[in-house]
Amino acid sequence: QLQLQESGPGLVKPSETLSLTCTVSGGSISSTDYHWSWIRQPAGRGMEWIGSIDHSGSTFYNSSLKSRVTISVDTSKNLFSLKLRSATAADTAVYHCARYNTGVGNFDWWGQGTLVAVSS
Amino acid sequence: QSVLTQPPSVSGAPGQRVTISCTGSNSNIGATYDVHWYQQLPGTAPKLLIYGNSNRPSGVPDRFFGSQSGTSASLAISGLQAEDEAQYFCQSYDSSLSGYVFGSGTKVTVL
Repeated sequence: QLQLQESGPGLVKPSETLSLTCTVSGGSISSTDYHWSWIRQPAGRGMEWIGSIDHSGSTFYNSSLKSRVTISVDTSKNLFSLKLRSATAADTAVYHCARYNTGVGNFDWWGQGTLVAVSS
Repeated sequence: QSVLTQPPSVSGAPGQRVTISCTGSNSNIGATYDVHWYQQLPGTAPKLLIYGNSNRPSGVPDRFFGSQSGTSASLAISGLQAEDEAQYFCQSYDSSLSGYVFGSGTKVTVL
C-alpha cells in the first residue's frame, strides 16, 4: 500500500525558508501517471494547493505562491521536497503531501500532514 | 476564502440522510471540470471518497453519492453512521487560476 510521510521542522522563523520532505513508500515516484503535490490547510480554513512536480522534474505552481515556492524531486531516494521562501505567519498551516492522479484529475493518496508554525 | 464554497457544518441522526453542497463558478465546476470529494477523519490523512463527480473508489460504501449540476456539486450520505463523523471537502480545477481548487470544508456531525 502506498504511503506518504511528511517530515521537517515544525517551527520556522519569519522571513526564513520553510522546508519539508515527503518520503514515498510502497510505490515508485518515477511513475509517469502521477504528479507529486503539496497542499496546505491553515487552521479553520480550506485546503490550498501549493504545487506539483512530475517524475521528470516539471513543476506546476499555484500562481499566488509561485514567486516563493520551489518543489523538487529525488527519484533515487523516492522523495520530493518543498521550499517556501520568506515565510510569514500567514504560512502557518498543516502541510500535506499527496499524489495527483493525472488520469482522473484527483489527489488519490495523501500524507497525514505536518503542522508548521511560522513564529519568532 | 476558498474558491469552492461549502457549508461549515451539517448534522443528522443515525440512519438519516445529509447533503453537502459545493458551489463554484463558470471557471471551475461550471466549465465541466470534474469534482472530487474527500473525507478526513480526525487525525488522519484525507481519503478520496468520490471521483469524477459521482464515482466511488473501491471500498467506499454506496451510502456515499456524488452529483454535479451547473456550477455546483453535492455529496449525499444516506444511512448516516457514527463512523461518518468527519470533515468533507470538494476539489476541482479552475481555468482562470490555472490550478486545483478546494472547498472550504464541511464538518459532519452524527447526533
